[in-house]
Amino acid sequence: DVKVTQSSRYLVKRTGEKVFLECVQDMDHENMFWYRQDPGLGLRLIYFSYDVKMKEKGDIPEGYSVSREKKERFSLILESASTNQTSMYLCASSAIGQSYEQYFGPGTRLTVT
Amino acid sequence: GQSLEQPSEVTAVEGAIVQINCTYQTSGFYGLSWYQQHDGGAPTFLSYNALDGLEETGRFSSFLSRSDSYGYLLLQELQMKDSASYFCAVRASNNQGGKLIFGQGTELSVKP
Repeated sequence: DVKVTQSSRYLVKRTGEKVFLECVQDMDHENMFWYRQDPGLGLRLIYFSYDVKMKEKGDIPEGYSVSREKKERFSLILESASTNQTSMYLCASSAIGQSYEQYFGPGTRLTVT
Repeated sequence: GQSLEQPSEVTAVEGAIVQINCTYQTSGFYGLSWYQQHDGGAPTFLSYNALDGLEETGRFSSFLSRSDSYGYLLLQELQMKDSASYFCAVRASNNQGGKLIFGQGTELSVKP
């Protein structure tokens, strides 16, 4: 059974803080993705990675960075959190060539005050 | 630009059949996926169509017409547990990573 875990279910941070969201998958997947989900906007891709140390910008990368030092771990970093980054953050993974079938973690609901 | 359109809400009764449509306009197209997300839960993969036609998996079927840039998810014998949001997603590229572009989601309410 594919398992994608995220470091926190709920997180509250202050404006200007540096925030780290961690994601770990146990299926040896090459692809990993970070999305944010907001009501009425669906899932929007922030960044994705198809290999260790490789990353590609998604549709809304501004204000975010990522790190993938190990195959199983993909981190999302908010360099200086702002209130408009309050959202649900979802991590996903997939096998190479099978990005149509992504496995999602439970999500982290981040509130920036 | 890239866009996917699906209805925001659909309501149906238990035991009925419901169809959730998705039209897309993307710069590339390699296939259409469908995901289900229960309230407070993670999205889960339901189906994928790369070619035209109907794919059936139990009570759920998914259809694609590439010439019409259109697909749908068909849910039969609706059950209360089918109440959830359903997202269509286009696989817009076939290169490394091959990201998905998601629609805004359709909230399905199943009434007794």
